[in-house]
Amino acid sequence: DTAVSQTPKYLVTQMGNDKSIKCEQNLGHDTMYWYKQDSKKFLKIMFSYNNKELIINETVPNRFSPKSPDKAHLNLHINSLELGDSAVYFCASSQAGGWYEQYFGPGTRLTVT
Amino acid sequence: KNQVEQSPQSLIILEGKNCTLQCNYTVSPFSNLRWYKQDTGRGPVSLTIMTFSENTKSNGRYTATLDADTKQSSLHITASQLSDSASYICVVSAVPNDYKLSFGAGTTVTVRA
Repeated sequence: DTAVSQTPKYLVTQMGNDKSIKCEQNLGHDTMYWYKQDSKKFLKIMFSYNNKELIINETVPNRFSPKSPDKAHLNLHINSLELGDSAVYFCASSQAGGWYEQYFGPGTRLTVT
Repeated sequence: KNQVEQSPQSLIILEGKNCTLQCNYTVSPFSNLRWYKQDTGRGPVSLTIMTFSENTKSNGRYTATLDADTKQSSLHITASQLSDSASYICVVSAVPNDYKLSFGAGTTVTVRA
């Protein structure tokens, strides 16, 4: 059984479109995250939710809006996509923050043309 | 300047040989340091997690060391296998219960037969 799953795995879209990426974890974790990995392979945190409450909101354009309908799901909606949004987006979860191990999903490769 | 610096950026080794990857960090106050393995096209997977009181931790053929005084860590791979070809990422957490992790850029290891 997949612990952290994301859909879709690949997403190709045009500038200006709106798209969503879904994430689900079946580990019973309280905390979920969205990361962006750019072409230089740096992973940067975008958002973190703990028990459906937003606890980290990094300097991310407000075109990006996370939504957590329940503890097991954290979706990422992106409005008015730009070329610079092209990257791999990873969802992750952990039992709690800090010390606890984070489990990553397989990633969603977003290409904006 | 990134708070987690890794070296080398990449390396190539022959199957069966050993190698050591380096990580220097400036994150403070230090909570814990992790090493992740990221295969191409997949999410990172945790190898080790160490707190300031631990100076070595092993996971099979992977051994991580930590010197919290000099803020340095290393990851040693013993008897490398082709499946060790991946990016190895050093990740540091600042304080307990801090949900934000600081990621290094990673070292890309290629193991050749």
